[in-house]
Amino acid sequence: KQEVTQIPAALSVPEGENLVLNCSFTDSAIYNLQWFRQDPGKGLTSLLLIQSSQREQTSGRLNASLDKSSGRSTLYIAASQPGDSATYLCAVCDNYGQNFVFGPGTRLSVLP
Amino acid sequence: EPEVTQTPSHQVTQMGQEVILRCVPISNHLYFYWYRQILGQKVEFLVSFYNNEISEKSEIFDDQFSVERPDGSNFTLKIRSTKLEDSAMYFCATPTGAGELFFGEGSRLTVL
Repeated sequence: KQEVTQIPAALSVPEGENLVLNCSFTDSAIYNLQWFRQDPGKGLTSLLLIQSSQREQTSGRLNASLDKSSGRSTLYIAASQPGDSATYLCAVCDNYGQNFVFGPGTRLSVLP
Repeated sequence: EPEVTQTPSHQVTQMGQEVILRCVPISNHLYFYWYRQILGQKVEFLVSFYNNEISEKSEIFDDQFSVERPDGSNFTLKIRSTKLEDSAMYFCATPTGAGELFFGEGSRLTVL
C-alpha cells in the first residue's frame, strides 16, 4: 500500500529565503506526482505535475524534482514571499493513473 | 484547466440525517473523485467514479456512502445517516488527460 510522508511538518522562514520541502513515497511504481497548495479552509490548487518519466518541472519561483527510484520529490521555492504561506501537499498517482495518495502536508509560514 | 463547482459550501446537520453533496463540472468529464479531509488531517480518498460507475473505493466508503450522476451532469455524494466523525471537508476532483488533478473548493460538513 502506497504511503506518502512529508518533511518538515511545519516551517517558518523570513521573507526572501529559498526553501525546500520534501516528499517521500514507499512504492516507486507511480504514474505521476503532483504538488498542491492549500490555503486554510480552501480547496487544493495544483502547482506542478511531474510525470514518472520526468525529473523536474518548473513554474515561476517553484521547481519540483522527482527521483522515482529513491521514492523522493522536492519542492523548491525561491525567494519566498509572505503570500507563499500555506500548506503544501504532495500526491502520488499509482501506476494505473487512477488512485492518488496524499501526504500530510508541510505548513509554511513566510514572515515579512 | 477544468473547473469544478461544489455545493453547498457549508452544511450543518444533525447526527443521523442524510446529506447530499454536489459537484458540477464546467466541461464534460468522465472521471471524478471524492476525497475528504478531517480538520487538521490528511486528504483521504473516498471513491472514484468513471463513466457512471464506481471505479475504486476506499475502506472509508462504506454502506453509508453512495455516489450518483443523477442527471448526466451533476455528481453527488450521499451520506445516508451521518455520524459525528463524518464532519470534514469533502472535495470533488477531476483529472485532465495528462493526469493532473483539479479540485473544487470543497463542501464543509458539520455534524452535530
